[in-house]
Amino acid sequence: EPEVTQTPSHQVTQMGQEVILRCVPISNHLYFYWYRQILGQKVEFLVSFYNNEISEKSEIFDDQFSVERPDGSNFTLKIRSTKLEDSAMYFCASGKDRVTNEKLFFGSGTQLSVL
Amino acid sequence: QKEVEQDPGPLSVPEGAIVSLNCTYSNSAFQYFMWYRQYSRKGPELLMYTYSSGNKEDGRFTAQVDKSSKYISLFIRDSQPSDSATYLCAIDYNTDKLIFGTGTRLQVFP
Repeated sequence: EPEVTQTPSHQVTQMGQEVILRCVPISNHLYFYWYRQILGQKVEFLVSFYNNEISEKSEIFDDQFSVERPDGSNFTLKIRSTKLEDSAMYFCASGKDRVTNEKLFFGSGTQLSVL
Repeated sequence: QKEVEQDPGPLSVPEGAIVSLNCTYSNSAFQYFMWYRQYSRKGPELLMYTYSSGNKEDGRFTAQVDKSSKYISLFIRDSQPSDSATYLCAIDYNTDKLIFGTGTRLQVFP
Protein backbone atom coordinates (compact mmCIF):
# COMPACT_ATOMS: atom_id res chain seq x y z
CA GLU A 1 0.00 0.00 0.00
CA PRO A 2 1.30 3.52 -0.75
CA GLU A 3 2.67 5.52 2.18
CA VAL A 4 3.02 9.06 3.39
CA THR A 5 6.68 9.60 4.21
CA GLN A 6 7.91 12.06 6.81
CA THR A 7 11.44 13.24 7.52
CA PRO A 8 13.18 13.48 9.85
CA SER A 9 11.70 10.99 12.31
CA HIS A 10 13.22 12.98 15.18
CA GLN A 11 14.21 16.64 15.30
CA VAL A 12 15.85 18.36 18.25
CA THR A 13 16.14 22.13 18.19
CA GLN A 14 16.85 25.04 20.45
CA MET A 15 14.06 27.41 21.45
CA GLY A 16 13.81 30.29 19.00
CA GLN A 17 15.23 28.32 16.07
CA GLU A 18 13.39 27.67 12.84
CA VAL A 19 12.49 24.11 11.88
CA ILE A 20 11.12 22.63 8.70
CA LEU A 21 9.29 19.32 8.83
CA ARG A 22 9.04 17.50 5.54
CA CYS A 23 6.44 15.19 4.10
CA VAL A 24 6.02 13.35 0.84
CA PRO A 25 2.30 12.68 0.40
CA ILE A 26 0.95 9.87 -1.74
CA SER A 27 1.47 10.82 -5.36
CA ASN A 28 -2.09 11.14 -6.67
CA HIS A 29 -3.48 12.80 -3.56
CA LEU A 30 -4.74 16.38 -3.65
CA TYR A 31 -5.55 17.20 -0.04
CA PHE A 32 -2.80 17.62 2.55
CA TYR A 33 -2.88 18.06 6.28
CA TRP A 34 -0.73 18.59 9.35
CA TYR A 35 -1.78 17.34 12.76
CA ARG A 36 0.17 17.26 15.99
CA GLN A 37 0.06 15.21 19.18
CA ILE A 38 1.60 16.49 22.39
CA LEU A 39 2.69 13.61 24.61
CA GLY A 40 -0.29 12.17 26.46
CA GLN A 41 -2.77 14.40 24.65
CA LYS A 42 -5.09 14.02 21.68
CA VAL A 43 -4.19 14.34 18.03
CA GLU A 44 -4.97 17.96 17.06
CA PHE A 45 -5.67 19.44 13.64
CA LEU A 46 -3.29 22.20 12.54
CA VAL A 47 -3.96 22.96 8.89
CA SER A 48 -5.39 21.64 5.63
CA PHE A 49 -4.04 22.52 2.20
CA TYR A 50 -5.62 22.14 -1.21
CA ASN A 51 -4.94 23.63 -4.61
CA ASN A 52 -1.81 25.38 -3.33
CA GLU A 53 -3.52 27.24 -0.56
CA ILE A 54 -4.62 26.77 3.02
CA SER A 55 -8.25 25.67 3.13
CA GLU A 56 -8.66 25.58 6.90
CA LYS A 57 -6.45 26.19 9.94
CA SER A 58 -6.83 25.87 13.68
CA GLU A 59 -6.17 28.42 16.41
CA ILE A 60 -2.85 26.69 17.06
CA PHE A 61 -1.67 27.54 13.54
CA ASP A 62 -0.59 31.11 14.24
CA ASP A 63 1.86 33.36 12.39
CA GLN A 64 4.79 31.24 13.52
CA PHE A 65 3.58 28.39 11.34
CA SER A 66 3.53 28.15 7.58
CA VAL A 67 3.03 25.40 5.02
CA GLU A 68 4.30 25.05 1.52
CA ARG A 69 4.20 22.67 -1.38
CA PRO A 70 7.45 23.73 -3.03
CA ASP A 71 7.30 21.18 -5.83
CA GLY A 72 5.04 18.41 -7.03
CA SER A 73 5.99 15.95 -4.33
CA ASN A 74 6.89 17.64 -1.03
CA PHE A 75 4.70 19.28 1.60
CA THR A 76 6.44 21.15 4.40
CA LEU A 77 5.55 22.66 7.75
CA LYS A 78 7.78 25.48 8.95
CA ILE A 79 7.88 26.80 12.49
CA ARG A 80 9.68 30.13 12.43
CA SER A 81 10.69 30.56 16.06
CA THR A 82 10.12 27.42 18.07
CA LYS A 83 8.80 27.48 21.62
CA LEU A 84 9.05 24.81 24.29
CA GLU A 85 5.34 24.11 23.89
CA ASP A 86 5.86 23.22 20.22
CA SER A 87 7.41 19.95 21.35
CA ALA A 88 5.12 17.26 19.95
CA MET A 89 4.75 14.54 17.35
CA TYR A 90 3.79 16.13 14.05
CA PHE A 91 1.82 14.02 11.58
CA CYS A 92 1.38 14.73 7.91
CA ALA A 93 -1.65 13.25 6.16
CA SER A 94 -2.98 13.18 2.63
CA GLY A 95 -6.12 12.11 0.81
CA LYS A 96 -7.52 11.95 -2.74
CA ASP A 97 -10.52 13.97 -1.64
CA ARG A 98 -11.76 15.75 1.46
CA VAL A 99 -11.63 13.71 4.63
CA THR A 100 -15.37 13.13 4.63
CA ASN A 101 -15.27 11.51 1.21
CA GLU A 102 -12.06 9.62 1.20
CA LYS A 103 -9.68 7.77 3.46
CA LEU A 104 -6.95 9.85 5.04
CA PHE A 105 -3.45 8.38 5.12
CA PHE A 106 -1.12 9.45 7.93
CA GLY A 107 2.66 9.36 7.98
CA SER A 108 4.62 7.95 10.91
CA GLY A 109 5.32 11.39 12.28
CA THR A 110 8.24 13.64 13.21
CA GLN A 111 8.98 13.89 16.91
CA LEU A 112 10.00 17.50 17.54
CA SER A 113 11.81 18.30 20.78
CA VAL A 114 12.41 21.96 21.60
CA LEU A 115 15.04 22.53 24.29
CA GLN B 1 -17.70 20.67 27.60
CA LYS B 2 -15.16 18.83 25.49
CA GLU B 3 -16.16 18.18 21.89
CA VAL B 4 -15.18 14.51 22.03
CA GLU B 5 -14.59 12.46 25.16
CA GLN B 6 -13.00 9.05 25.28
CA ASP B 7 -11.95 6.89 28.21
CA PRO B 8 -8.13 6.68 28.00
CA GLY B 9 -7.95 3.22 29.56
CA PRO B 10 -5.73 1.29 29.57
CA LEU B 11 -7.94 -1.66 28.81
CA SER B 12 -6.40 -5.10 29.25
CA VAL B 13 -8.23 -8.19 27.97
CA PRO B 14 -7.39 -11.83 27.25
CA GLU B 15 -7.10 -13.07 23.70
CA GLY B 16 -10.51 -13.96 22.26
CA ALA B 17 -12.44 -11.43 24.36
CA ILE B 18 -14.96 -8.98 22.94
CA VAL B 19 -13.73 -5.44 23.35
CA SER B 20 -15.98 -2.39 23.58
CA LEU B 21 -14.50 1.07 23.03
CA ASN B 22 -16.62 4.18 23.37
CA CYS B 23 -16.73 7.91 22.74
CA THR B 24 -19.25 10.62 23.45
CA TYR B 25 -19.52 13.90 21.61
CA SER B 26 -21.21 17.18 22.34
CA ASN B 27 -22.13 18.76 18.99
CA SER B 28 -25.19 17.30 17.29
CA ALA B 29 -23.99 18.84 14.00
CA PHE B 30 -21.24 16.25 13.76
CA GLN B 31 -21.96 14.02 10.81
CA TYR B 32 -19.05 11.69 10.19
CA PHE B 33 -17.64 9.22 12.66
CA MET B 34 -14.42 7.30 12.38
CA TRP B 35 -12.26 4.92 14.34
CA TYR B 36 -8.51 4.96 13.93
CA ARG B 37 -5.92 2.55 15.26
CA GLN B 38 -2.50 3.86 16.27
CA TYR B 39 0.42 1.58 16.96
CA SER B 40 3.31 2.89 19.00
CA ARG B 41 5.48 5.38 17.07
CA LYS B 42 3.14 5.27 14.05
CA GLY B 43 0.50 7.53 12.60
CA PRO B 44 -3.23 6.82 12.96
CA GLU B 45 -4.69 4.29 10.53
CA LEU B 46 -8.38 4.37 9.55
CA LEU B 47 -10.34 1.30 10.67
CA MET B 48 -13.99 2.21 10.29
CA TYR B 49 -15.99 5.11 8.90
CA THR B 50 -19.70 5.82 9.12
CA TYR B 51 -22.05 8.77 8.85
CA SER B 52 -25.38 7.37 9.96
CA SER B 53 -26.86 5.94 13.10
CA GLY B 54 -26.75 2.18 13.36
CA ASN B 55 -24.12 -0.50 12.96
CA LYS B 56 -21.43 -1.06 10.37
CA GLU B 57 -19.47 -4.29 10.32
CA ASP B 58 -16.09 -5.10 8.80
CA GLY B 59 -14.66 -8.48 9.71
CA ARG B 60 -14.10 -8.61 13.47
CA PHE B 61 -14.87 -4.89 13.85
CA THR B 62 -18.29 -3.30 14.32
CA ALA B 63 -18.82 0.45 14.57
CA GLN B 64 -22.00 1.68 16.18
CA VAL B 65 -23.39 5.21 16.18
CA ASP B 66 -26.27 6.49 18.28
CA LYS B 67 -26.86 10.08 17.24
CA SER B 68 -29.73 10.58 19.69
CA SER B 69 -27.35 9.86 22.59
CA LYS B 70 -24.27 11.31 20.85
CA TYR B 71 -22.47 8.06 21.51
CA ILE B 72 -20.22 5.99 19.27
CA SER B 73 -18.73 2.57 19.88
CA LEU B 74 -16.26 0.18 18.34
CA PHE B 75 -16.57 -3.52 19.09
CA ILE B 76 -13.75 -5.95 18.41
CA ARG B 77 -14.69 -9.65 18.37
CA ASP B 78 -12.21 -12.45 18.98
CA SER B 79 -9.52 -9.96 19.98
CA GLN B 80 -5.92 -10.83 19.10
CA PRO B 81 -2.60 -9.71 20.58
CA SER B 82 -2.00 -7.88 17.29
CA ASP B 83 -5.01 -5.67 18.14
CA SER B 84 -2.96 -4.16 20.98
CA ALA B 85 -2.80 -0.47 20.10
CA THR B 86 -4.40 2.86 20.90
CA TYR B 87 -7.85 3.33 19.37
CA LEU B 88 -8.92 6.85 18.51
CA CYS B 89 -12.41 7.98 17.69
CA ALA B 90 -12.56 10.92 15.30
CA ILE B 91 -15.46 13.11 14.32
CA ASP B 92 -16.07 15.62 11.55
CA TYR B 93 -18.92 17.90 10.53
CA ASN B 94 -18.24 18.29 6.88
CA THR B 95 -15.11 20.37 7.19
CA ASP B 96 -11.46 19.51 6.55
CA LYS B 97 -10.83 19.12 10.26
CA LEU B 98 -11.02 15.87 12.19
CA ILE B 99 -11.61 16.12 15.94
CA PHE B 100 -9.99 13.23 17.74
CA GLY B 101 -10.69 11.70 21.11
CA THR B 102 -7.80 11.18 23.48
CA GLY B 103 -7.55 7.50 22.51
CA THR B 104 -8.03 4.29 24.49
CA ARG B 105 -4.98 2.09 24.96
CA LEU B 106 -5.85 -1.58 24.46
CA GLN B 107 -3.67 -4.50 25.51
CA VAL B 108 -4.68 -8.02 24.44
CA PHE B 109 -2.67 -10.65 26.25
CA PRO B 110 -2.25 -14.26 25.02
